[in-house]
Amino acid sequence: DQQVKQNSPSLSVQEGRISILNCDYTNSMFDYFLWYKKYPAEGPTFLISISSIKDKNEDGRFTVFLNKSAKHLSLHIVPSQPGDSAVYFCAAGTLGGYQKVTFGTGTKLQVIP
Amino acid sequence: DTEVTQTPKHLVMGMTNKKSLKCEQHMGHRAMYWYKQKAKKPPELMFVYSYEKLSINESVPSRFSPECPNSSLLNLHLHALQPEDSALYLCASSGMIAGGADTQYFGPGTRLTVL
Repeated sequence: DQQVKQNSPSLSVQEGRISILNCDYTNSMFDYFLWYKKYPAEGPTFLISISSIKDKNEDGRFTVFLNKSAKHLSLHIVPSQPGDSAVYFCAAGTLGGYQKVTFGTGTKLQVIP
Repeated sequence: DTEVTQTPKHLVMGMTNKKSLKCEQHMGHRAMYWYKQKAKKPPELMFVYSYEKLSINESVPSRFSPECPNSSLLNLHLHALQPEDSALYLCASSGMIAGGADTQYFGPGTRLTVL
């Protein structure tokens, strides 16, 4: 049972344009969401997070949007840069107790120069 | 500084060997984690330590034995592994906040191959 899903395994975007990565979840108990970026043979790097009391969080070129009613979140990268090419994982958890995070299946982003 | 270090970077072992993976952080984090990641799959949680005590074991086989000697170190002892245990093993750590554990920061991983 995949509680966190990223339905697009890959995405190609031109440099300078917007990249939009999507994530859906099924567990209504999740109240904390994160995006990680991963290069091959490296550990995931934390990008940005959002708690369920917000619907938007921005950090530089990265913005995460949360739609609780649709159980959907998205990561916007503007403008996209070739160095953004990586696999992006959406993750979800609950803030109470220990942060047992469930990862999505990942989306491979390619930014074309 | 959000660095988590892991050694070794690569490990090849036979099914009868005993080896250990090491993880270290100096961020003052009191929660540490082991994950396993197979190719083209998301990381899967194995163990969570909180304040040096094992708090979560995701039904991991006993051939994997975690140890947290102090608040900065986390080990994963390996014994009698199977070829299907070959994977990238990731360590992570997080601070503790009022509502529970904070954002997890990952190390670069150990690429394990079991022959």
